[in-house]
Amino acid sequence: QVQLQESGPGLVRPAETLSLTCTVSGGSVRSKYWSWIRQPPGKGLEWLAYIYYNGPTNYNPSLKSRITISLDTSKNKFSLQLRSVTAADTAFYYCARLGERNWFDPWGRGTLLTVSS
Amino acid sequence: QSVLTQPPSVSGAPGQRVTISCTGSSSNIGAGYDVHWYQQLPGTAPKLLIYSNDNRPSGVPDRFSGSKSGTSGSLAITGLQAEDEADYYCQSYDFSLSGVVFGGGTKLTVL
Repeated sequence: QVQLQESGPGLVRPAETLSLTCTVSGGSVRSKYWSWIRQPPGKGLEWLAYIYYNGPTNYNPSLKSRITISLDTSKNKFSLQLRSVTAADTAFYYCARLGERNWFDPWGRGTLLTVSS
Repeated sequence: QSVLTQPPSVSGAPGQRVTISCTGSSSNIGAGYDVHWYQQLPGTAPKLLIYSNDNRPSGVPDRFSGSKSGTSGSLAITGLQAEDEADYYCQSYDFSLSGVVFGGGTKLTVL
């Protein structure tokens, strides 16, 4: 079955740009929508963005000016860039596949990103 | 402040039934968008528990059920077990925000 695995730097300095990658195995990114969701430690879930394999994207309006989602079909991966990070961006970042009627399944195990100098 | 409103916590004794509500508005659940539910066990990623209001993915026990009415959704858990202790989140789509929205989450404690 489809499995997702996030990877990222773990620690980013304030004002820098963070880049996260989600590797998809057991299936192709050439179908469905693919998404990023984050969760600050001890808090709730926040949807960030999703992308369809042939290009259409959708972003959380509150973050739209700072994020970019992209997809590499040749490597079966998709990525997230978040610019001008602050401590408020410290969170677990999850990638997930978006289902037909907007459910998320499966999810990756998540990667913790800490913003600190 | 989440777009979908859930109670912060619920509790029940083993074997009992509990319900978790998810209240939205006319721009999300009330507009006909489906409600989905996730279970997040401590230290793990969320897992899809109920999709499209009342459907269980393969492997989810039938102790878990979902429903939708008007601008709200509801998750019911019967025959509570200690392993059900987790955070539960509802999720839908909001056309005024043009995006996916989550509830704030509900912590279930099994007494």
